[in-house]
Amino acid sequence: DAGVTQSPTHLIKTRGQQVTLRCSPKSGHDTVSWYQQALGQGPQFIFQYYEEEERQRGNFPDRFSGHQFPNYSSELNVNALLLGDSALYLCASSPTFNNEQFFGPGTRLTVL
Amino acid sequence: QKEVEQDPGPLSVPEGAIVSLNCTYSNSAFQYFMWYRQYSRKGPELLMYTYSSGNKEDGRFTAQVDKSSKYISLFIRDSQPSDSATYLCAMIYNNAGNMLTFGGGTRLMVKP
Repeated sequence: DAGVTQSPTHLIKTRGQQVTLRCSPKSGHDTVSWYQQALGQGPQFIFQYYEEEERQRGNFPDRFSGHQFPNYSSELNVNALLLGDSALYLCASSPTFNNEQFFGPGTRLTVL
Repeated sequence: QKEVEQDPGPLSVPEGAIVSLNCTYSNSAFQYFMWYRQYSRKGPELLMYTYSSGNKEDGRFTAQVDKSSKYISLFIRDSQPSDSATYLCAMIYNNAGNMLTFGGGTRLMVKP
């Protein structure tokens, strides 16, 4: 049983560019959450998708947007990249209305 | 002040020692508590999930919750070098979706 998978593993972008990160949830999970983890800090919640809609959102600007597809996979888009967006982006999945969330390996984004 | 506080460490112990990791929180609305282990440059791995005051044991790990003091702990018995990682506590508000709020993490080093 494959766990949560994310692509790409690493990404280097320059300021002002746009980026799309992808996540496939664990089998049987229909809820996907995205987190940003800066170096040396705990993850911070960006938003959560369920039934292809954003169900909950953290304190992140509108430059951060997402999408969930009918097969429950998800994308995170970040526009107008800033140096401060450099971080590990983590995707977590869970079954419907279940608190236990399982994380993928993350995508490390570097903005130059 | 952060909602969830965790000593960043590093905490260095000899192999075989009992390790105690702690988090404090400020908001009594937190009702669900988790401990994650994160190896360097990897995604967090769920270790323990609890929702009531008291102890929960799983192998060498024991999670303890004291809601009256707003304090949670993770104990690791017979620590091994493979336990060397960053340990993150995470919490969920009651009746507010399942957004995880993390502490900053404690780095643990178990020396052979």
